[in-house]
Amino acid sequence: KNQVEQSPQSLIILEGKNCTLQCNYTVSPFSNLRWYKQDTGRGPVSLTIMTFSENTKSNGRYTATLDADTKQSSLHITASQLSDSASYICVVRNQAGTALIFGKGTTLSVSS
Amino acid sequence: DGGITQSPKYLFRKEGQNVTLSCEQNLNHDAMYWYRQDPGQGLRLIYYSQIVNDFQKGDIAEGYSVSREKKESFPLTVTSAQKNPTAFYLCASSGGGTSGAYNEQFFGPGTRLTVL
Repeated sequence: KNQVEQSPQSLIILEGKNCTLQCNYTVSPFSNLRWYKQDTGRGPVSLTIMTFSENTKSNGRYTATLDADTKQSSLHITASQLSDSASYICVVRNQAGTALIFGKGTTLSVSS
Repeated sequence: DGGITQSPKYLFRKEGQNVTLSCEQNLNHDAMYWYRQDPGQGLRLIYYSQIVNDFQKGDIAEGYSVSREKKESFPLTVTSAQKNPTAFYLCASSGGGTSGAYNEQFFGPGTRLTVL
């Protein structure tokens, strides 16, 4: 069964600190993996996309990694800001493009 | 300004009433989608359409209906048959087609539906 599991479910960190969010998937065969940021009461916005051949991709303070062998991805946030408070959703697409599997998300709260 | 708009932002409905949620895009995207988001759950696909005048059921289509008469518009009707309609509804669009496996889905701002 195609599944995407994210951890932790929620996270609270102090402003300026770093954090790492995890995403494990069982989608096979795999095509790509996206990380979305969803502010409260808003629609998700794409942060980055990872394909099978990519190990690391950065978007400003956000760095995503992918290990296609272990089917794991992480999203690392550096020097967190209050505006990083949001839900981060991992989404995996299968190779045929017929399935898009959403994780339940990690809720990040950055406090001052 | 290109993008996806959803209206209204908040919607209240009495039990037994049908209600229609609007979704419009000016991105010239072929494919459009409706998702439902509940607390602590991932997005679940209700319906999707890859071309005008054609649409397919998603994972949780029961109690919902859609139409795709225009490329830009994909309204969702929540019928009285939907047992638990209170949720956050998200509309999305993408370039579509099987060749568009890397096409990003762009999401609208969402509509929060509450059944009183």
